[in-house]
Order: sequence, then structure tokens, then C-alpha cells
Amino acid sequence: QKEVEQDPGPLSVPEGAIVSLNCTYSNSAFQYFMWYRQYSRKGPELLMYTYSSGNKEDGRFTAQVDKSSKYISLFIRDSQPSDSATYLCAMSDNNDMRFGAGTRLTVKP
Amino acid sequence: ETGVTQSPTHLIKTRGQQVTLRCSSQSGHNTVSWYQQALGQGPQFIFQYYREEENGRGNFPPRFSGLQFPNYSSELNVNALELDDSALYLCASSNGQGRYEQYFGPGTRLTVT
Repeated sequence: QKEVEQDPGPLSVPEGAIVSLNCTYSNSAFQYFMWYRQYSRKGPELLMYTYSSGNKEDGRFTAQVDKSSKYISLFIRDSQPSDSATYLCAMSDNNDMRFGAGTRLTVKP
Repeated sequence: ETGVTQSPTHLIKTRGQQVTLRCSSQSGHNTVSWYQQALGQGPQFIFQYYREEENGRGNFPPRFSGLQFPNYSSELNVNALELDDSALYLCASSNGQGRYEQYFGPGTRLTVT
């Protein structure tokens, strides 16, 4: 079992749809939970991070963390073609940093 | 504010050779982390440097080594290259030792033949 599991997709949605991206993890020591967006042939771009359990909202993006279930989500509202990219979840504790394999998202006009 | 830069953009090396990759951190950041990203995979943590000292290392052999300079720029050195070292090498900078607010450079694509 991988330490971080993320469905690779691909996920294809029409413009304006609500997108839900998810990761599960096994290490209960993780305290920080991040979402990155990576366009083809570019470095990952930090979208947002959350400490411990709870929700965090930034514009069209909402991150949720449920530590009891070891499950994190990213929701994208009113998705746009420019949101088409690979989305990576990541999590860390004081000693380790782990990424999911990424979910490839395509938003069709 | 200057973002994270990496050089070179692309590199082709032969198995057994050595390579040095370079990273300039974002202004105001004192920590640099290096990651290896194979095609279709998420980045894997190689190591982190905080104020010129190694501060954490992932599951990579000793032939992966690094340096951080007083201006907080950094180098990643890989000796005795293997075919499996072909990947995108990413540098990320941050302020402080935490790994939750890191900003990545565009990466160096290394091909080992």
C-alpha cells in the first residue's frame, strides 16, 4: 500500500462543473496537507495548504481534511478550461513530505 | 520578487557520468528542497537544506548529494548516473524548516542514456 493514494484519472468535466479531487493516506503523523497544480512541463504551483483537520477556502477552491478518515479533498467550483492540469496532493510532518501521483483534469469549453 | 529558478532546463548524460543541477531560491527564502519526479508520478523528496545544513533526507542513496550556499542557492549532485535517474528534478524554496509552503522552480529534465 502506498503511503498516499490518489486516483490518476484522467478526469474530464464540462466548463462550469464542480470538480472533486481526493487523496487518502496512511501515516497519521501527517499534519500539513497541500494541493498543487502542475501544468505540462512546469513545476508544481502551490494552491493552498491546511493544517490538521478542517476546511479552507480560497476563491473557487476549497480544501477539506478529515484526519479521522485519513482523507483529503479539493473542490473546484465553476471550473474553467484554464484549470486543466494535473493536481497533486501532498502531506508532511516534521520529517517527511509525500506527494500523490496526481490526477489529470481536463475542463472542456 | 524573484521566483525560483533552475538551470539547466534540459540535460542529457551517459550512464556512469556525474551531473550538477543548480537552483536559486525565491528572495527572502532560506530553505531549499530537492525532488525527483518520474514521468506520471508525484515528486519524491530527496533532501532539504536549511541555512546551509542538510535538514532531512528521503530514501535516496548517498550518490545524491547537495550543497546550499550563503546566498541560499543550492546544488544537487548525482554521481554514477543510472538509467533510472532520468526524471524531472525540482527545486522548491521556503522560509523556515516546514515543508508546507514551498514554491517550486520549473525543473531540470535529466535524460540518462
